[in-house]
Amino acid sequence: DIQMTQSPSSLSASVGDRVTITCRASQTISTYLNWYQQKPGKAPKFLIYAASSLQSGVPSRFSGSGSGTDFTLTISSLQPEDFATYYCQQSYSTPITFGQGTRLEIK
Amino acid sequence: QLVESGGDLVQPGGSLRLSCAASGFTFSSYEMNWVRQAPGKGLEWVSYIDTTGINIYYADSVKGRFSISRDNAKNSLYLQMNSLRAEDTALYYCARVLVRGALDIWGQGTMVTVSS
Repeated sequence: DIQMTQSPSSLSASVGDRVTITCRASQTISTYLNWYQQKPGKAPKFLIYAASSLQSGVPSRFSGSGSGTDFTLTISSLQPEDFATYYCQQSYSTPITFGQGTRLEIK
Repeated sequence: QLVESGGDLVQPGGSLRLSCAASGFTFSSYEMNWVRQAPGKGLEWVSYIDTTGINIYYADSVKGRFSISRDNAKNSLYLQMNSLRAEDTALYYCARVLVRGALDIWGQGTMVTVSS
């Protein structure tokens, strides 16, 4: 199975900050990497697919990059509604696996 | 949208059948997955089914106990869960595959609690 490791596990930041979350795969996954946002009590929300393609309706302050084993999710200017937990997910091979999550909190 | 149902409190060793009703899109054209989330924990993929129901995959943790199926005529996805264990306690989501395995639409989840 491909292991997905996110860093950091938690992060405190302020509104307006630029934030980067890293996701590393245990083996190469090309660009089969997706990102989700989850708020407490809610289902995950799909943000980015194929490492860098923004899902329709997702604000442009979100961006993704990377290929192979190393990926990043960047939020260019944090907004109050961005405080949530973020998950990466590889869809290169079965079983699909998720990172452990990065909790983004208000400083 | 996707709407799950069927979650309940069940004793260890018991069975449960989850359903996921799809609307607003052509269900038969999309691959589907079940993903679960234990209380306070992260996301765990459970099972996948292709558009025809022929190609099916399971996580090792549920293989041999869970069975995924779909009825395209009824726009519905199912998860038959047998020999339930305490560690199966979780919120179960159904999710649609957009492209390249990305899950673009999720239901609100249905809670399964396995406890005596």
